[in-house]
Amino acid sequence: DTEVTQTPKHLVMGMTNKKSLKCEQHMGHRAMYWYKQKAKKPPELMFVYSYEKLSINESVPSRFSPECPNSSLLNLHLHALQPEDSALYLCASSQNIWRQTNTEAFFGQGTRLTVV
Amino acid sequence: AQTVTQSQPEMSVQEAETVTLSCTYDTSESNYYLFWYKQPPSRQMILVIRQEAYKQQNATENRFSVNFQKAAKSFSLKISDSQLGDTAMYFCAFMGSSNTGKLIFGQGTTLQVKP
Repeated sequence: DTEVTQTPKHLVMGMTNKKSLKCEQHMGHRAMYWYKQKAKKPPELMFVYSYEKLSINESVPSRFSPECPNSSLLNLHLHALQPEDSALYLCASSQNIWRQTNTEAFFGQGTRLTVV
Repeated sequence: AQTVTQSQPEMSVQEAETVTLSCTYDTSESNYYLFWYKQPPSRQMILVIRQEAYKQQNATENRFSVNFQKAAKSFSLKISDSQLGDTAMYFCAFMGSSNTGKLIFGQGTTLQVKP
């Protein structure tokens, strides 16, 4: 199983709503990532979790709150978002964060988020 | 800071022909990985090919091969016998030795394969 599964695939939310994005992998990977991707642009790293601990936060606004409940699951909690936060949110996983053994990141299909 | 540059926003190729996508990068590190990812309209980023900087031999995966020029900091992707299913956005990406797992992506090249 080399899949990273993201749910939901599409999400429309109001600026006062609270919602969560979910990501799951069963490859035994110990590094998981959230990326944000605007249309026709490259993905931009938001957060990195290594062994269930947050190792990188790329100065992401606090209205985005990541959570890694266990080694297979990664959540992104959303609250009070702005219309400019509308984007494709991609989850990825890799064996770990160490360059020598981190040979490939596997990506999910993403959640298309629209904030109205 | 590392940067990755893809200078071709859009390209097109006839089915069965060969096309080369360009990528240059800037880094002061000597050990790193380079990747080409494909993102079709289905949105999922799929690894096409990877190259370890310390390996002089160019990586090859079936119809996909790279021309890695370390001194010139160039990493181009050649797609041979192009197929309609190759239509996608292609991203060149860099991963350095900082042990963060962070991928730095280029701006992407949209490739259209025409029948």
